[in-house]
Amino acid sequence: KNQVEQSPQSLIILEGKNCTLQCNYTVSPFSNLRWYKQDTGRGPVSLTIMTFSENTKSNGRYTATLDADTKQSSLHITASQLSDSASYICVVSVYGGSQGNLIFGKGTKLSVKP
Amino acid sequence: NAGVMQNPRHLVRRRGQEARLRCSPMKGHSHVYWYRQLPEEGLKFMVYLQKENIIDESGMPKERFSAEFPKEGPSILRIQQVVRGDSAAYFCASSEGPGQTYGYTFGSGTRLTVV
Repeated sequence: KNQVEQSPQSLIILEGKNCTLQCNYTVSPFSNLRWYKQDTGRGPVSLTIMTFSENTKSNGRYTATLDADTKQSSLHITASQLSDSASYICVVSVYGGSQGNLIFGKGTKLSVKP
Repeated sequence: NAGVMQNPRHLVRRRGQEARLRCSPMKGHSHVYWYRQLPEEGLKFMVYLQKENIIDESGMPKERFSAEFPKEGPSILRIQQVVRGDSAAYFCASSEGPGQTYGYTFGSGTRLTVV
């Protein structure tokens, strides 16, 4: 069964600190992996997209890694800001699957405190 | 560019009523996707449409739910005879081409509450 598991479920950090969010998946065959940020009451916004051959991709203070062998990804946030408080969702696409059939994780809820 | 517009943002319906959720894709986007998010759950795919065509409805409940994306106007997700279990956030996304290649832009969602 295609699944995406994220950890931790929630995380509280102080402003300025770094943090790393984890994503494990069992989706097969794999097409690509995306990280989204979802603010409360809003739709998800794409942060990064990684294909099978990519190990690392950065977007400002966000750095995503992908290990296709162990089927793990991480999202590292550097020098956190209050505006980083949101849910971070890992999404995996099935290769050859329906164009709309993404597999979503439940997300990690990050709270950045002053 | 106003992005993906969903309305209403909040919708309250009594059990047995009909709910109509609207989604206007980004300008130039002809591919629309609907997702449902239950509290504390991840988004779940419902249906994928292109103009006037349903491409994949494998995530749609067999009864009471329908979707359309007419030649003119927004995409509509219709839920007939709503039940309490339909209470959720419904998100629409659009893409310029097949989403796996072009990426998806999400709307802010419609929060449906069935009382």
